[in-house]
Amino acid sequence: SQKIEQNSEALNIQEGKTATLTCNYTNYSPAYLQWYRQDPGRGPVFLLLIRENEKEKRKERLKVTFDTTLKQSLFHITASQPADSATYLCAFLGSNMLTFGGGTRLMVKP
Amino acid sequence: SQTIHQWPATLVQPVGSPLSLECTVEGTSNPNLYWYRQAAGRGLQLLFYSVGIGQISSEVPQNLSASRPQDRQFILSSKKLLLSDSGFYLCAWSGEDTGELFFGEGSRLTVL
Repeated sequence: SQKIEQNSEALNIQEGKTATLTCNYTNYSPAYLQWYRQDPGRGPVFLLLIRENEKEKRKERLKVTFDTTLKQSLFHITASQPADSATYLCAFLGSNMLTFGGGTRLMVKP
Repeated sequence: SQTIHQWPATLVQPVGSPLSLECTVEGTSNPNLYWYRQAAGRGLQLLFYSVGIGQISSEVPQNLSASRPQDRQFILSSKKLLLSDSGFYLCAWSGEDTGELFFGEGSRLTVL
């Protein structure tokens, strides 16, 4: 069965640096991947979607890439800020529903 | 605009007691509706999803059940809670096409 994996260890970076989070999947490439942000005690919030035929998608300081050869999506936050600290989840659509990775917690230190 | 409401936000229940979590969506019709559970420090686990009134699909066998009595209402229930039912329960809806999910604020359940 399809699995989606994210680094379970927290990522700690300094303010102003670029944060890069990884999402890996097994087996077939999904039609698209989604990225969500989740703050403690809150529901996830949709950030970006990238389709299988797109290599890169940008939104303000966010950038997502999709490499079907590596079976991997990278999520970048440039010029990171302490307010970017949260857990970031990737997800893909498989048989009518989204399957989520375990999420990676990002901590941006001032 | 569309909104999703979920309640109660927090509840503490004894083992063996019943449960009812309610979720309603406004501003859209015939949404796909979902219940997810998130254990502490873990990812989202899909429990149930519904594509229409009375249509419920279960992803994980357990002592929970779901119902959709109206188009924009989704209810998660249990007759007898277990300790393992503790967690953060999230309701979500999606439209067509890309399946982007819109989540409610969540309900934190602690079973003692």
